[in-house]
Amino acid sequence: QKEVEQNSGPLSVPEGAIASLNCTYSDRGSQSFFWYRQYSGKSPELIMSIYSNGDKEDGRFTAQLNKASQYVSLLIRDSQPSDSATYLCAVSRSQGNLIFGKGTKLSVKP
Amino acid sequence: GAVVSQHPSRVICKSGTSVKIECRSLDFQATTMFWYRQFPKQSLMLMATSNEGSKATYEQGVEKDKFLINHASLTLSTLTVTSAHPEDSSFYICSGQGGNTEAFFGQGTRLTVV
Repeated sequence: QKEVEQNSGPLSVPEGAIASLNCTYSDRGSQSFFWYRQYSGKSPELIMSIYSNGDKEDGRFTAQLNKASQYVSLLIRDSQPSDSATYLCAVSRSQGNLIFGKGTKLSVKP
Repeated sequence: GAVVSQHPSRVICKSGTSVKIECRSLDFQATTMFWYRQFPKQSLMLMATSNEGSKATYEQGVEKDKFLINHASLTLSTLTVTSAHPEDSSFYICSGQGGNTEAFFGQGTRLTVV
């Protein structure tokens, strides 16, 4: 089993809709979880971090964590064409360094 | 967020030469530096992980003698691509992490070997 798994997509949603991005991980000792956004030709940028079970909201973004199910998700409300990018899930290994998923490509259609 | 400065942003070199890419953490101490490579339309591929003051740990299939990593201080890590060949042309990105926290990415270096 891969350490961090994401559906590669592309995930296509209409403008204004909610985009839901999912990620599962294998290391039960993982403590920190991050979502990064990567535009084509650019390096990734951190958009959300979450450390405890439940939801964490920041503007149009909500991260959800369920450690029992080893599942973390990112919801983007009122999706905009500018949200079109690849979203990378990152999970800390027990020893602290990050492992990235392969990313989900999101396309928001006007 | 914290800043990792990566240079150069673009480099073109001749086949057989070596290229050095530098990453500096400007406002935090990067105890761990990750080096990635990304080919067009593909995902980030971790090449190696280096902890300050110790030898880098390379991922399977990455030649440690070809991709030399130095992480001599908490604010500077370098990747040298030795004897570069056209197949080494790629987007190289560093990412610095201070402790068990989030990692911050450099701007990336687009390497073209001709």
